[in-house]
Amino acid sequence: GAVVSQHPSWVICKSGTSVKIECRSLDFQATTMFWYRQFPKQSLMLMATSNEGSKATYEQGVEKDKFLINHASLTLSTLTVTSAHPEDSSFYICSARPSGSRNEQFFGPGTRLTVL
Amino acid sequence: AQKITQTQPGMFVQEKEAVTLDCTYDTSDPSYGLFWYKQPSSGEMIFLIYQGSYDQQNATEGRYSLNFQKARKSANLVISASQLGDSAMYFCAMREGHNAGNMLTFGGGTRLMVKP
Repeated sequence: GAVVSQHPSWVICKSGTSVKIECRSLDFQATTMFWYRQFPKQSLMLMATSNEGSKATYEQGVEKDKFLINHASLTLSTLTVTSAHPEDSSFYICSARPSGSRNEQFFGPGTRLTVL
Repeated sequence: AQKITQTQPGMFVQEKEAVTLDCTYDTSDPSYGLFWYKQPSSGEMIFLIYQGSYDQQNATEGRYSLNFQKARKSANLVISASQLGDSAMYFCAMREGHNAGNMLTFGGGTRLMVKP
């Protein structure tokens, strides 16, 4: 099946620093990728839809200046958490659907962010 | 209103028995897709099964089957012959429309625990 990778898988940083998370589709192209956030014991909440070559579409309540998304190519989307604070600590997961494939969406393994 | 509802926060099942995880949805779009994902403690989202709104038959994938009742707007997941490795969080999700750019909306999840 299609593979989506995320890097890093785990990051611990100090409050105030910025953290970049990469999401790559390894064996397919994705014009659209999605970024989700998951707090412990909760469901996945969509943060934004990342569109290749254009601006991301953010969900209501998600600060676009806080969570910068860049979809530089058909296989790479990045999420940058700027000036991270402890409340940004969460599990961030990206997903993508290969065009012309079955209907499933493939998820990356997730990135666990801990802000001290 | 919740688009996807999973009413069972936690479920126990005896090993080798079948279990049904409930999922109801709400949409006015005639074209939609329903998904089930498994999330073990490691965090990755594992696609299990997909049901399209126009599919005439219930989807099946190995030990997983989807009890799709369109009029009742329910899409329950049935796991037959439960195994200890089935212990995980299970999420029901919906994509409205058929565009690959449409995001998934997730239910709150059900934690399944398989007893030996």
